Amino acid sequence: QQQVKQSPQSLIVQKGGISIINCAYENTAFDYFPWYQQFPGKGPALLIAIRPDVSEKKEGRFTISFNKSAKQFSLHIMDSQPGDSATYFCAARVSGGSYIPTFGRGTSLIVHP
Amino acid sequence: ETGVTQTPRHLVMGMTNKKSLKCEQHLGHNAMYWYKQSAKKPLELMFVYSLEERVENNSVPSRFSPECPNSSHLFLHLHTLQPEDSALYLCASSQEWGSGQYFGPGTRLTVT
Repeated sequence: QQQVKQSPQSLIVQKGGISIINCAYENTAFDYFPWYQQFPGKGPALLIAIRPDVSEKKEGRFTISFNKSAKQFSLHIMDSQPGDSATYFCAARVSGGSYIPTFGRGTSLIVHP
Repeated sequence: ETGVTQTPRHLVMGMTNKKSLKCEQHLGHNAMYWYKQSAKKPLELMFVYSLEERVENNSVPSRFSPECPNSSHLFLHLHTLQPEDSALYLCASSQEWGSGQYFGPGTRLTVT
């Protein structure tokens, strides 16, 4: 499977700041890009997702920015809160063929109060 | 509540034991997955079932044996495991051609 490269591995942000997590992919056939949020002791939860026909999608404080030409997408968490402290995974999938996603390695986010 | 339940939530087993993990989804999805999540490692896809047929097996050791009796239930049968198999085992479901995956809370497995 094609790799999805996620960075940074860990991120520390002050309360109220902006958290930014980046992912890059190689397979141009990917056409669905979800982000997952995982709290300790829990399974990952689907947070927000984007398809390549749009460059940005916003849901509350969470925004995905998508750059098709650069094959990159990023998650922005505005006004970060201590409750956002979790591990975030990006993923990519080819919906018309295999529906099996490729996951990034995860980013551990800590938001200090 | 994600609509995907897993039992047990915690399991400690010896290397010679046989146990089974159970997953049930209440979302009407037709694809189900087993993942292994170890500390400091990315999510590892183990098995995928679509419409109750196995469509992916990522070279998982034979000591792990999946079973999907219907589109709502998925099992992972375990036997003669090794200590390195200790991990969080996650079940997920999705629509075959749909959007994201929905994960259960996982089973924390410890092999002694």
